[in-house]
Amino acid sequence: DAMVIQNPRYQVTQFGKPVTLSCSQTLNHNVMYWYQQKSSQAPKLLFHYYDKDFNNEADTPDNFQSRRPNTSFCFLDIRSPGLGDAAMYLCATSDWDRGQNTEAFFGQGTRLTVV
Amino acid sequence: AQSVTQLDSQVPVFEEAPVELRCNYSSSVSVYLFWYVQYPNQGLQLLLKYLSGSTLVKGINGFEAEFNKSQTSFHLRKPSVHISDTAEYFCAVSDEGNDYKLSFGAGTTVTVRA
Repeated sequence: DAMVIQNPRYQVTQFGKPVTLSCSQTLNHNVMYWYQQKSSQAPKLLFHYYDKDFNNEADTPDNFQSRRPNTSFCFLDIRSPGLGDAAMYLCATSDWDRGQNTEAFFGQGTRLTVV
Repeated sequence: AQSVTQLDSQVPVFEEAPVELRCNYSSSVSVYLFWYVQYPNQGLQLLLKYLSGSTLVKGINGFEAEFNKSQTSFHLRKPSVHISDTAEYFCAVSDEGNDYKLSFGAGTTVTVRA
């Protein structure tokens, strides 16, 4: 059974039209991550939550926002998508308990196309 | 700050031959190391991880890796590859002092040929 679920798998949006990608988890993990992965590149961390604490990477554009209304759900909002934002967006979770990291569990990703 | 270097961007290999993918990391504190595999248009799947203990780690699909602290390396190996091992492989690191971040190397594309 899928433990980290991303919807939709494929998203087409218009240039400049706001879009939201969603991620849910059944693992009850305290950390959730959003990564952007462009073709043939490594995943790039955009931001992550430790519980409700939001941590933004310094080079994440202001165009990208995130919400985590509860433990299970996390959203990525792109306020005005540009052509350069076309990519695979990966959500992941991990459970940091008393400083002991376990692996990150990834969703299947959402491939965003901007037209 | 932590960083990961994967020394080979592409590795072609014949079926049933061994393969080694190299990964070096830098970190000033205790690290946790991971290898992930990614098939086309899929998310990342964990192959194996090193958290502590034995430096030789065995993972899924016949893969293993060895943590070498003195050389700051975590190389991935498989003694005999299959066509189905064709994929992108990512080495990743996280550490206690870095706000729970997981940082990835640039990836190694493994192409297995018959």
